[in-house]
Amino acid sequence: GAGVSQSPSNKVTEKGKDVELRCDPISGHTALYWYRQSLGQGLEFLIYFQGNSAPDKSGLPSDRFSAERTGGSVSTLTIQRTQQEDSAVYLCASSLFFRGSTGGYEQYFGPGTRLTVT
Amino acid sequence: ELKVEQNPLFLSMQEGKNYTIYCNYSTTSDRLYWYRQDPGKSLESLFVLLSNGAVKQEGRLMASLDTKARLSTLHITAAVHDLSATYFCAVVMDSNYQLIWGAGTKLIIKP
Repeated sequence: GAGVSQSPSNKVTEKGKDVELRCDPISGHTALYWYRQSLGQGLEFLIYFQGNSAPDKSGLPSDRFSAERTGGSVSTLTIQRTQQEDSAVYLCASSLFFRGSTGGYEQYFGPGTRLTVT
Repeated sequence: ELKVEQNPLFLSMQEGKNYTIYCNYSTTSDRLYWYRQDPGKSLESLFVLLSNGAVKQEGRLMASLDTKARLSTLHITAAVHDLSATYFCAVVMDSNYQLIWGAGTKLIIKP
C-alpha cells in the first residue's frame, strides 16, 4: 500500500515568509509525528498527534511553529516568519498505536521536505 | 527523562570486518527500534525489538536487546560497502509511547 507522503519535496523561501509543509500518513495510522533534521544531525522531535487527543507540542522550537491534523489524517506544519536557522529537512512519520505489551510503535517515515530559507 | 546514547557516533571500517554499534538508554523500556538512513534519504526501519532477549537478524546485520542492562547492540558481520549509512536506535517511552532517538552512528565501509 501507499506509504507516508510529504509535499513539497523541496521548498526554497525568503527569510520572513510563511511556509506550509504537508504530510499524508499511512491510511489507518492514528499516530503522526513531525521531526526536523539538520544536515548531518539526528532527529529533533517537533510535535506528535495521537487520535483525538491533544497534540504533544513539547518539541516545537518557537511560537512561529504550529501544526494541525485535520480529520485524523493529513497534517500541516506551518512555520511563520521563517528564519535561516529553520533550514532543515522536515520529516513526517506515522504509526499504529497499541497500548499493551504485545504491540509495537514502529514509525514509518515519509521522504521529507527539504526547506531552505535564504 | 529518557535519554538514548549511541556509540560510536562515527565508524570507518574495512570491508570484511566485524563491528558492533551500541545503544544505551536511561530508563525502563522494553521496545527498541533500529533504523537506517542513507545520505539524502529518509529513514528505513530495520529491526523492531519488543522484549528482553529479542534477537533479530537480516543479512549481515543482527540486533539484540537486553532490557535489564538497558542496552541494544547492532552487530555487523563481514561488512560490505552497501551497508554504509547512518544507523539510529530509538526507544519507546512508556509514559506517552513516543520514540526517543539516539544521535545516530555514521558508518563508512571502505572497499
